[in-house]
Amino acid sequence: GQNIDQPTEMTATEGAIVQINCTYQTSGFNGLFWYQQHAGEAPTFLSYNVLDGLEEKGRFSSFLSRSKGYSYLLLKELQMKDSASYLCAVRRTPRPHYGQNFVFGPGTRLSVLP
Amino acid sequence: DTAVSQTPKYLVTQMGNDKSIKCEQNLGHDTMYWYKQDSKKFLKIMFSYNNKELIINETVPNRFSPKSPDKAHLNLHINSLELGDSAVYFCASSLFKLRGNTEAFFGQGTRLTVV
Repeated sequence: GQNIDQPTEMTATEGAIVQINCTYQTSGFNGLFWYQQHAGEAPTFLSYNVLDGLEEKGRFSSFLSRSKGYSYLLLKELQMKDSASYLCAVRRTPRPHYGQNFVFGPGTRLSVLP
Repeated sequence: DTAVSQTPKYLVTQMGNDKSIKCEQNLGHDTMYWYKQDSKKFLKIMFSYNNKELIINETVPNRFSPKSPDKAHLNLHINSLELGDSAVYFCASSLFKLRGNTEAFFGQGTRLTVV
């Protein structure tokens, strides 16, 4: 089966750095995605990793270790508007050339305090 | 301009009724999905369609029937609605590629309340 785990909630202060971890066990792994979801809104794409290592994108970075089934999202210089849920998602390609889907973790609700 | 649009945004209905949610994407994607997000905010895959063909059906009751008339549309019909069906339903689309970024784009969601 598929299993993706994230902390349920985190709190941080404006201007700080926060790291949100994600561990996964899944078949057909073909990439790790991070999404942001504000309350009452749709998820929006933040970052993508398919190879091991760090991908940096402005204030957001994401890391992947495929051998450990582990990823993290790093948010720097936190702003109040970063208060949202952060969803880790595994792209699965169960059978090559036969389509894909995204399996989401439970999400981490981040609260940024002044 | 809307990339993935789904209607209606809100749906309140009684138990036992049948309802449909429509979804359309104008991104030229070949894969579309339905997700259910429950009160605990867990986003769970229901169906995945690639080029109008059902790829994934994740243990969803057969009261839920998706229909894809073409690559740009994926509708969801629900029969005999139950209280437990209350949730936010998200439609999404993406390209299918074995390599590279194929981020999924989500519709605004349909908040279904069964009373």
